[in-house]
Amino acid sequence: EPEVTQTPSHQVTQMGQEVILRCVPISNHLYFYWYRQILGQKVEFLVSFYNNEISEKSEIFDDQFSVERPDGSNFTLKIRSTKLEDSAMYFCASRREYEQYFGPGTRLTVT
Amino acid sequence: KNEVEQSPQNLTAQEGEFITINCSYSVGISALHWLQQHPGGGIVSLFMLSSGKKKHGRLIATINIQEKHSSLHITASHPRDSAVYICAAIKAAGNKLTFGGGTRVLVKP
Repeated sequence: EPEVTQTPSHQVTQMGQEVILRCVPISNHLYFYWYRQILGQKVEFLVSFYNNEISEKSEIFDDQFSVERPDGSNFTLKIRSTKLEDSAMYFCASRREYEQYFGPGTRLTVT
Repeated sequence: KNEVEQSPQNLTAQEGEFITINCSYSVGISALHWLQQHPGGGIVSLFMLSSGKKKHGRLIATINIQEKHSSLHITASHPRDSAVYICAAIKAAGNKLTFGGGTRVLVKP
């Protein structure tokens, strides 16, 4: 069964560095999402992406963040100048119709 | 006020017991997801429903759109059902998910 994949599974970075989190959505899906979950908190929406552009973003998704679909398969989240509070689990999701399918997540630790 | 509320926050059951988790929401939605999150952190979609009831194995989900309420039931619970169960609402526009805080379920043998 097709699934959403994410790499890396765990990323450790120093404060101020840039990180790129990668996702490969299910191949015939058209809508893509990034969510994050800070430890002990609820999952939060970051951004949705359709037709090669952002369709919606939350107030969390400021200029520090960007998304890109550089080719036909990858969907990336870039975080510039990481802060301690960016430490979280980041989930990618994709859908074709209504149901969203989640990747296994990338645990980002900023030290 | 959170748009999506779950209860209880924590639940402990003995193996074999019937478990119910509740989800209520304050905004109009088009559908609702029930998700399962295991200790490793990964999220698995259990159900997406917009009306009535769905069943998959020992799991049953119901939704009443007018009353803005959904329930997830686990019949004949098993220790492997121990996880965090999350409801997430889909509004009519945009289709981003708005998540509840999760219910941590522990099933003891």
